[in-house]
Amino acid sequence: KNQVEQSPQSLIILEGKNCTLQCNYTVSPFSNLRWYKQDTGRGPVSLTIMTFSENTKSNGRYTATLDADTKQSSLHITASQLSDSASYICVVSPPHNAGNMLTFGGGTRLMVKP
Amino acid sequence: GAVVSQHPSWVICKSGTSVKIECRSLDFQATTMFWYRQFPKQSLMLMATSNEGSKATYEQGVEKDKFLINHASLTLSTLTVTSAHPEDSSFYICSARDLGTYNEQFFGPGTRLTVL
Repeated sequence: KNQVEQSPQSLIILEGKNCTLQCNYTVSPFSNLRWYKQDTGRGPVSLTIMTFSENTKSNGRYTATLDADTKQSSLHITASQLSDSASYICVVSPPHNAGNMLTFGGGTRLMVKP
Repeated sequence: GAVVSQHPSWVICKSGTSVKIECRSLDFQATTMFWYRQFPKQSLMLMATSNEGSKATYEQGVEKDKFLINHASLTLSTLTVTSAHPEDSSFYICSARDLGTYNEQFFGPGTRLTVL
């Protein structure tokens, strides 16, 4: 069964600090891997999207990495802000000819404290 | 970027009533839209895939007669929760697939349904 596992489940950091969230997946092959930010009571918003051939992708203070050999991805947040408090979800998409089903990770709930 | 809207953003209803939730792709056409349900502190669970002009495909365990889906145009899909009960209270999120952007799904802001 294709799975996406995220760690840690929750994380508390102080404002201004950096943090790294992990995503391990077994979906193979895949089309792309995405990281989403979901604020409480809101829909997910895309942060980064990487195809299987990409190693890193940045979006402001967010940097995602992908290691297709070890089937691992990480999301690094630099100089955290209070507004970074949210759930971060890793999502793997199947190849274009393999249907629409996205495989969601369980998410990491990040809390940034002042 | 592509924008998906949902209406209403929240709704409170009495048990036994029906509630309709709209999902619109505002600046692109979506032949396929998806409906998800999310319980507190859990990830999104796919309920059904909505295809424009045809019947929706429901995931295992999702009652098609309870969750009616209509995708009448390339920019609008609706989810109707029929005879709602308190256990249907949840956060419902739709997404729309944009074939031109990495085949990416863009998510709506969600609808909070509370059934009393």
